[in-house]
Amino acid sequence: NAGVTQTPKFRVLKTGQSMTLLCAQDMNHEYMYWYRQDPGMGLRLIHYSVGEGTTAKGEVPDGYNVSRLKKQNFLLGLESAAPSQTSVYFCASREAVSTDTQYFGPGTRLTVL
Amino acid sequence: AQSVTQLGSHVSVSEGALVLLRCNYSSSVPPYLFWYVQYPNQGLQLLLKYTSAATLVKGINGFEAEFKKSETSFHLTKPSAHMSDAAEYFCAVSDRGGATNKLIFGTGTLLAVQP
Repeated sequence: NAGVTQTPKFRVLKTGQSMTLLCAQDMNHEYMYWYRQDPGMGLRLIHYSVGEGTTAKGEVPDGYNVSRLKKQNFLLGLESAAPSQTSVYFCASREAVSTDTQYFGPGTRLTVL
Repeated sequence: AQSVTQLGSHVSVSEGALVLLRCNYSSSVPPYLFWYVQYPNQGLQLLLKYTSAATLVKGINGFEAEFKKSETSFHLTKPSAHMSDAAEYFCAVSDRGGATNKLIFGTGTLLAVQP
């Protein structure tokens, strides 16, 4: 049981490049989330999904897109990367019926030059 | 809207000393509250959570937290710090049963443990 995994672990992009971050969970969780973590700002919610085929905007969605084509996967896309998107990105998942515990992946460290 | 405030972005204690990390919340509904720990270069791990049962919650690694409604607080404590406790700690509040069950995180407290 791997829990929540994220691919890749590190990435360096040039401004304007695109990329996709993959989050996978093997716990059959309904809810999935993408956060970004910046120094002194805690974790901020980018997008989330309450089930396969559904996505919604979080607190800081601009510049990102997401897709949830399969229940176990939640993809985060950057169409045209900007230096302001340099951050550590965390994925999390949660059961639909629970006391709200979210389980986190190990993170992806993204640098945009 | 819900929010969390963590007082002190950096806390330093000596090994064996009491650890006290402060968290105050704001919520229009009875909250669910969480403490997560993040070790260097790792993801977040749940330490403990309050979900309206007992107000004193015990978690992993000897940590505990007490929910005090009158003070809107959920401070994290550990009687005796270990070197291995050095990490960043995040307090979070949930919108509890809302459509999304989103977590709102504090800005974190970095705990240093001195030998």
